[in-house]
Amino acid sequence: DSGVTQTPKHLITATGQRVTLRCSPRSGDLSVYWYQQSLDQGLQFLIQYYNGEERAKGNILERFSAQQFPDLHSELNLSSLELGDSALYFCASSGASGRGTGELFFGEGSRLTVL
Amino acid sequence: DAKTTQPNSMESNEEEPVHLPCNHSTISGTDYIHWYRQLPSQGPEYVIHGLTSNVNNRMASLAIAEDRKSSTLILHRATLRDAAVYYCILRATTGANSKLTFGKGITLSVRP
Repeated sequence: DSGVTQTPKHLITATGQRVTLRCSPRSGDLSVYWYQQSLDQGLQFLIQYYNGEERAKGNILERFSAQQFPDLHSELNLSSLELGDSALYFCASSGASGRGTGELFFGEGSRLTVL
Repeated sequence: DAKTTQPNSMESNEEEPVHLPCNHSTISGTDYIHWYRQLPSQGPEYVIHGLTSNVNNRMASLAIAEDRKSSTLILHRATLRDAAVYYCILRATTGANSKLTFGKGITLSVRP
């Protein structure tokens, strides 16, 4: 158990719909990262937040957005869903600089299926 | 991000050592070498990281070439549970505030 909690574990929805994925980081971790993993693209970095502020942006579509709340949990919003958005979405967290090894702790993922 | 190159796959026998190679010829002086692995149906998990010196922990050892252009992850006695995709990643800092860029990794199969 990494200490990172993601909900829901599975989600099935239709094209054009909107979904929200939730991530609770490990206690005390300030950074949250979102990754998308599909069969043909591998693990793709989407976005990172640090203590509520956006820190880095990767290959995140304009239809996707994220935020980190004051209690440090994060949500990834996916809208106007397309078939190609079907993937595993992972959240990871890491601690403040200088704490531990700086390793990322990943959740078990949310599997999104768009029909 | 500096790039790493790994073989696509490797097979090993249970209880034998496994050496997983990684090339990173464009590594910069501030890049740390990180290894993560992803077991089937799970999120990635940290394995080990290093800068210049060889490193050991309870999971594995990391051998880093003197010129730092390559490294090898060593699993001393492979178990069936070690079958996973192993990712070699360069990271600019050990701090918490830099992302990881995953490549395709190497798929390790372990034969009983």
